[in-house]
Amino acid sequence: AIRMTQSPSSFSASTGDRVTITCRASQGISSYLAWYQQKPGKAPKLLIYAASTLQSGVPSRFSGSGSGTDFTLTISCLQSEDFATYYCQQYYSYPITFGQGTRLEIK
Amino acid sequence: QVTLKESGPVLVKPTETLTLTCTVSGFSLSNARMGVSWIRQPPGKALEWLAHIFSNDEKSYSTSLKSRLTISKDTSKSQVVLTMTNMDPVDTATYYCARIAITGTPYFDYWGQGTLVTVSS
Repeated sequence: AIRMTQSPSSFSASTGDRVTITCRASQGISSYLAWYQQKPGKAPKLLIYAASTLQSGVPSRFSGSGSGTDFTLTISCLQSEDFATYYCQQYYSYPITFGQGTRLEIK
Repeated sequence: QVTLKESGPVLVKPTETLTLTCTVSGFSLSNARMGVSWIRQPPGKALEWLAHIFSNDEKSYSTSLKSRLTISKDTSKSQVVLTMTNMDPVDTATYYCARIAITGTPYFDYWGQGTLVTVSS
C-alpha cells in the first residue's frame, strides 16, 4: 500500500497567515491526490483533487500543488473557519490511502 | 441535491457482524462510472478507506480487512450495504459512506454525516 505522510502533524497559526501543509507519498502517484478539510464532529469536505484542481465552491485562498511524491496544500490568508484538520488522499492505486492528518489550530 | 446517509447499529458486541446501509439521493447508483465507498475513522484518528462499489458492480476492498468485508448495492432502493464480520473493539469508529467523483475517479465529492459504531460487550 502507498503510505501518505503529512507534515506537520499539527501547528498553530493566526488569521491572515499564509500556511502550507505537506504530503509525501511513499512512491510516485502522478497527480492522483486529493485534499480534504474536516471540522470536529463533521464529515470531511473535498477541497482539491488532481493535486491542484479546486473543487467547486471552495474559496480561492486554497490551492494545491505537486506531482510524483511531494504535494502541498496552501491557504493564502487564513480565516477563522479554516481552523480544522486536513487530510491528503492518494487514488493512484488500491488500496486508497489517506495521510494521518494535519491539525491546524489558532495561535 | 446529492445526499448520503448511513444507518445501522450504534453498538455491536465483539465477534458479531456489523451491517451498515448507505442510502443515497440526488444521483443513481446505476449511472455509468457512479460509485460509493465506505470509509471509517476511529475516535481521534485518521481516515481509513474500507471498500467501494461501482455501478457496474466492480468492487474493491481494503487489503488488511478484505477477509471481513462485503459490499453490495441495491440500485432500486438507492442503497449500498457494507458488512463487516467478527467485530472487535478496535473497530470502534465513525463509519462514513462517500460518493466517488462522477468521473469514476476515486476521490470523494460528497460524504454522509457518518455513524458512530461502538464495539463493546
